[in-house]
Order: sequence, then structure tokens, then C-alpha cells
Amino acid sequence: EPEVTQTPSHQVTQMGQEVILRCVPISNHLYFYWYRQILGQKVEFLVSFYNNEISEKSEIFDDQFSVERPDGSNFTLKIRSTKLEDSAMYFCASRGTATGNTIYFGEGSWLTVV
Amino acid sequence: SQQGEEDPQALSIQEGENATMNCSYKTSINNLQWYRQNSGRGLVHLILIRSNEREKHSGRLRVTLDTSKKSSSLLITASRAADTASYFCATLGETSGSRLTFGEGTQLTVNP
Repeated sequence: EPEVTQTPSHQVTQMGQEVILRCVPISNHLYFYWYRQILGQKVEFLVSFYNNEISEKSEIFDDQFSVERPDGSNFTLKIRSTKLEDSAMYFCASRGTATGNTIYFGEGSWLTVV
Repeated sequence: SQQGEEDPQALSIQEGENATMNCSYKTSINNLQWYRQNSGRGLVHLILIRSNEREKHSGRLRVTLDTSKKSSSLLITASRAADTASYFCATLGETSGSRLTFGEGTQLTVNP
């Protein structure tokens, strides 16, 4: 079964450093997402991406964050100047074209900011 | 803003028993999806139920949706120790674009 893959699975970074989290969505999907889950808390929406642009973003997704689809397969989340409170599991997700289609999540990337 | 809330927050049962988890939400939805998350792992999609559906089955899973009460339930029958995980409902709102809004989750423990 096709799946969303994410790298790295775990990254430790110094506060203030830039981090890039990578995702390969399911190949025929056109809608892409990033969510995050702080330890012990619920999953929160960050941003959705369609047709090479951000279609929606939450209040969490401030200027520190950016997303990019640099080629036909990868979808990246960049966090500039990381803060301690950015420590979380970051999930990439994708879905197909039909409205209401299932959204499939990757295994996540654990980010620890020290 | 729309919120999904599950209850109970934690549920502990014996293998073979049924587990029922409930989810409530606040605004009109397009669909509701249930996910499972093993500790420290990704979100595994279990089942999607559309706003015009009332009940859906998948294997040992049964999901109901009551849009008048803005609530859903997930029933896992004949539970197994491997069902131990956190279970989340997530709603796709009619007006929230394409974002899913997740609930707090129910931690299910199935004791062998």
C-alpha cells in the first residue's frame, strides 16, 4: 500500500539552528499537509499546500516556518531559528483529489531542540 | 474554533472485550475520520465516515455518526492486546478548508 515517508525520523538540533524536515507524499496525491504534535498533546494543523502554494495555514505557522515542493516528489518544512517550544513530532500528510478523501499520514519526524 | 473531544480519556479493558470511544465536535462537518497512534509512532487511518452516513463497518471496527448531536463513536469488538494505542477522531469541517481538527484522543489499554 502506498505510504507517506518522512525523513529524518529523529533530529536533535541546537536552539537557533535551521531545520528542514522532508516528506515524500503518496505519488498521485495533490494536497499536502504538515501537522505537529507536542509530546502528550493533540495533533495540530500547521499548513496545507496545493498547486504549488499554501492553501491554508494556522496561527502556529508564522514567519519562522516555510514549506516548499522543490521537485515532483518532495515536500519540505523548514523551521528557521528553532526554539525550545518547537520540539515536537512533525507529521506530513497527503490526500488525493476528491473532496473528503482520506488523509494519509507519515510516521513523523521527532524534532528535539536543545 | 471547532474541537473534537474524545471520551473517555483513558480506557482499560481485558482482551476479548469490546471498547467504545466517543467523540464530540462543535461545527458542521464534511466528514469524520478515526486514527490510531501507537506510542511515539505515526497516525494510522482507520475509517472515514461522511456527514451523510450514519454507520460504517470495517473488520472489527464500527463507527457511528450522529450529526444532530455532533458526535461519533468508535467500537472495537473482540479487542486484542495489539489494539493498545491512542485513538483520535478528526473532523474535516464544511468551512475549514482542508484542515483536519483532531481531538485529544483516548488511550486504550487492552490487557492480555
